[in-house]
Formats: sequence, structure tokens, C-alpha cells
Amino acid sequence: QKEVEQDPGPLSVPEGAIVSLNCTYSNSAFQYFMWYRQYSRKGPELLMYTYSSGNKEDGRFTAQVDKSSKYISLFIRDSQPSDSATYLCAMIGSGATNKLIFGTGTLLAVQP
Amino acid sequence: NAGVMQNPRHLVRRRGQEARLRCSPMKGHSHVYWYRQLPEEGLKFMVYLQKENIIDESGMPKERFSAEFPKEGPSILRIQQVVRGDSAAYFCASSPFSPGLAGVSYEQYFGPGTRLTVT
Repeated sequence: QKEVEQDPGPLSVPEGAIVSLNCTYSNSAFQYFMWYRQYSRKGPELLMYTYSSGNKEDGRFTAQVDKSSKYISLFIRDSQPSDSATYLCAMIGSGATNKLIFGTGTLLAVQP
Repeated sequence: NAGVMQNPRHLVRRRGQEARLRCSPMKGHSHVYWYRQLPEEGLKFMVYLQKENIIDESGMPKERFSAEFPKEGPSILRIQQVVRGDSAAYFCASSPFSPGLAGVSYEQYFGPGTRLTVT
């Protein structure tokens, strides 16, 4: 079993839709949770960063963490064609090195 | 404030040659992480370095791969005697804070990557 599971998609939605992206994880030691956006043949770009359980909002993006269910989500409101990219969840445990454990990414296409 | 810089962006090597990938962290960041992204796979951790120290190399293949982060200059990921299976995108990320500090955020900022093709 992978430490982090993420539906690879692809996910296709019309412009203006609300998008829900999710990851589940198995390691209860994970405490820091991030979402990255990666455009084709580019480096990952940090979108959201949360610590422990709860919600965090930044513009059209909302990140949720439910540690009891080992489940994290990223919501995108009013999706735009420019949101078309691969979305990667990533996690850090309480270890000594802060290495990121990534999901495999979900490919999102927002149709104009 | 310049972001993480990596060069070269694209590198083509024949089997058996050496590949050297360079990473300059963001200004003020002294923690560097290397990750590899194989086709159709997610990003996998390779190594974590601070200036002049390898802290965690648990994700590095046992042979042919090495990394350094000297006191002066960029971090280098070196792959000796490359094979076709080494073809991938290699990303480095930097962070300003040491692991284990309380009350700080641990974001890692990624560079654009080096795409290595072994022919």
C-alpha cells in the first residue's frame, strides 16, 4: 500500500465549476500537508500549506485536512482554463528531515 | 527575489556517460532537497542536504548517484555511468528552516527541473 493515494484522473470540468481533489494517506505521523500545481514540463508550484486538521482558504482555493480520516482535499471555486494542470498533494511527517511524500497527482482539464 | 534555479534545463547523455545537475536555492535558503519524477510516476525524494552536509540520502540509489552542497556554489547531483532507466525529470527544492523547529512553516519551493534523457 502506498503511503499517499491520489486519484490520477484525468478530471475534466467546464469553466466555472467547483473542483474537488482528494488524497488519502496511511501514516498517522504526517502533520504538514501541501498542494502543488504542476503545469506540463514545469516545476511544482506551491499552492496551499496547512498544518494538522482544519481548513485554509486562499482566494479561489480551499484546503481541508481531516486527520481522523487521513483525508485531505483541495477545492477550486470558479475554475478557469488556466487551472488546467496536474495537482499534487504532499505531506511531511514528524521526522528529522522534512522530506515530502507525494501523491501521484491528478490531471485536471478545465474546458472553456 | 529569484526562485530556485536549476541547470541545465535539458541534458542528453549516452549510456555510460556522467550527468551533473546543478541547483541554486532561493536566497537565504540553506536546505536543499532533490526529487526525481519518472514518467507516469509521482515525485520521489532522493536526498536532503544542508551546506557541506548530507542529512538524509535514504532515497538515493545505492550506486552511481551522489550529491553535494558545498559551502560556496550550487548543489550538485551527479549520476555516473548513466543508463536508460535514469531518464527522468530531476527537481530540486529549497527551504529556509531546519526540521524540528517549532512555529515555522516548512514549505519547499521547487525549481524548474532538469530533464535528463539517456540515449
